[in-house]
Amino acid sequence: DVKVTQSSRYLVKRTGEKVFLECVQDMDHENMFWYRQDPGLGLRLIYFSYDVKMKEKGDIPEGYSVSREKKERFSLILESASTNQTSMYLCASSLTGTGFYTEAFFGQGTRLTVV
Amino acid sequence: RKEVEQDPGPFNVPEGATVAFNCTYSNSASQSFFWYRQDCRKEPKLLMSVYSSGNEDGRFTAQLNRASQYISLLIRDSKLSDSATYLCVVNQGDSSYKLIFGSGTRLLVRP
Repeated sequence: DVKVTQSSRYLVKRTGEKVFLECVQDMDHENMFWYRQDPGLGLRLIYFSYDVKMKEKGDIPEGYSVSREKKERFSLILESASTNQTSMYLCASSLTGTGFYTEAFFGQGTRLTVV
Repeated sequence: RKEVEQDPGPFNVPEGATVAFNCTYSNSASQSFFWYRQDCRKEPKLLMSVYSSGNEDGRFTAQLNRASQYISLLIRDSKLSDSATYLCVVNQGDSSYKLIFGSGTRLLVRP
């Protein structure tokens, strides 16, 4: 089974702190994603990476950065946490297959509260 | 217009009912379509992929209508355990791996 593991289930951070969210997958997937999920807004893509050291902005990258130094690990960084970044953060990974049915597998999520 | 739109519900149905959800997408170049299920406070999990010819998995049937740009999910003989949020997912046009999620449709199955 594919396993995507996020480092924390719950985090509470203070405004202005630098926050690191870590994600590791064990299935040698090329693609990794960070989403945030808010009530009524669904999942919104923050950043994704299709290879080591490669990254692309998603729909809401402002206030975030990412790092992918190894294939299995994709980190989301909140440079200076703000209260509007309180959310559920979901990491996902997928294969780059020859077909189109490259479904994403999710980690269990990190519920971040910024106070 | 959102790239992927769903009726948020909730759909409140009795056990044994048949219920259908629709989802519309805006990018005609999209090629991959999925339904995910998300339980409260849990991560989304793949329910089924949606193939051009339509596909069935037990009580679940998925259909794709490219001309009208919508996909559907039909659940027959609803169980209490089907209560969840169902997410429609579509790839972003020519990017096979970038997936766009709808906001989800909430289903409540009552005894």
